Amino acid sequence: QKEVEQDPGPLSVPEGAIVSLNCTYSNSAFQYFMWYRQYSRKGPELLMYTYSSGNKEDGRFTAQVDKSSKYISLFIRDSQPSDSATYLCAMSGYTGGGNKLTFGTGTQLKVEL
Amino acid sequence: GAVVSQHPSWVICKSGTSVKIECRSLDFQATTMFWYRQFPKQSLMLMATSNEGSKATYEQGVEKDKFLINHASLTLSTLTVTSAHPEDSSFYICSAREEREGWSLEQYFGPGTRLTVT
Repeated sequence: QKEVEQDPGPLSVPEGAIVSLNCTYSNSAFQYFMWYRQYSRKGPELLMYTYSSGNKEDGRFTAQVDKSSKYISLFIRDSQPSDSATYLCAMSGYTGGGNKLTFGTGTQLKVEL
Repeated sequence: GAVVSQHPSWVICKSGTSVKIECRSLDFQATTMFWYRQFPKQSLMLMATSNEGSKATYEQGVEKDKFLINHASLTLSTLTVTSAHPEDSSFYICSAREEREGWSLEQYFGPGTRLTVT
């Protein structure tokens, strides 16, 4: 079993839809949770960064963490064609220094006109 | 957000030659830098972690003599692919993280370097 599970998609939605992207994890040591967006042939871009259970909102994006269920989500409101990309969840342990990110496989999202 | 640059963005080289990829943090000092490779439609695979002034820590299965990493300053890390072969063709992405007082802050990625070995 992988430490981080993420549905690879592809996920296709109409413009304006609410998108829900999810990851589950098995390692209870994970404390920091991130969502990255990656366009084709580009490096990942950090979207959201949280370190506690609950919700965090930034514009059209909301990150949700449920540590009791080991489940994180990213919601995109009013989705746009420019949101079409691969979304990667990532997480790391509590300690600083050399802690490393563990990535999900990424969900490919396509927002259609 | 913080900016990480990579150079070159795309390189083609002949089998047996070596290629150097540079990674720079432009507006912050990166205590730790990471090198990843990514195959098409797959997630990022961590190759190694480097801290400024010390030897890199390689992930299991990554040949340290083939992938030479140097983190000479707080803003520059280099990855040299030595004696490259076609199977080394991939998308290489660096990442940089700033740390303050032992706490890790956000990790930022470069735009990636596409390596094609012919």
